[in-house]
Amino acid sequence: GAGVSQSPSNKVTEKGKDVELRCDPISGHTALYWYRQSLGQGLEFLIYFQGNSAPDKSGLPSDRFSAERTGGSVSTLTIQRTQQEDSAVYLCASSLVGFTEGDEQYFGPGTRLTVT
Amino acid sequence: QKEVEQNSGPLSVPEGAIASLNCTYSDRGSQSFFWYRQYSGKSPELIMFIYSNGDKEDGRFTAQLNKASQYVSLLIRDSQPSDSATYLCAVPLGGYQKVTFGIGTKLQVIP
Repeated sequence: GAGVSQSPSNKVTEKGKDVELRCDPISGHTALYWYRQSLGQGLEFLIYFQGNSAPDKSGLPSDRFSAERTGGSVSTLTIQRTQQEDSAVYLCASSLVGFTEGDEQYFGPGTRLTVT
Repeated sequence: QKEVEQNSGPLSVPEGAIASLNCTYSDRGSQSFFWYRQYSGKSPELIMFIYSNGDKEDGRFTAQLNKASQYVSLLIRDSQPSDSATYLCAVPLGGYQKVTFGIGTKLQVIP
């Protein structure tokens, strides 16, 4: 079946504008994760959704960032009033059941966000 | 101390040699450990996970876990140029709600 998809693949926006990034997880996967990867840096955890449970938002860097997951499937990450330091690749991943032993995360291709 | 620590490298090894990648972590309660490979410009992909002390082998890859010393390593035997990538160590810290990735070690296999 199809893997994790993300859109858009590239987004260039002006400072101060809002952006929405979309993630379509693998069908049947109950867990969905958002990460951010800046140039030359490791993966920064942002948020984790597991089924119908309240998401773990503790990784979101500021209140300009929010995410939702509709119907336990598609997720949207929204960044309001974008800043230049928000420029990064935003990666979405999904896994079958969540953080358990050996539960593999499958990553999407990422959205490269550039704030000018 | 960083929660998950890796040497960013680059680590250069000749083709055919053994590449040894190391990762230390801060949470003594961590149970599962993952190694992801990330080619330049691509997304990470899982290559190994381990949750028991000792060694786990899969083809040319061996993961080694020592919970008492809080380190996990990845050995790549008979290294190939196609193994050149960044290797990320990932550890669920504080239970399973937060996976923390190390910065990754860049491996270069020289033909």
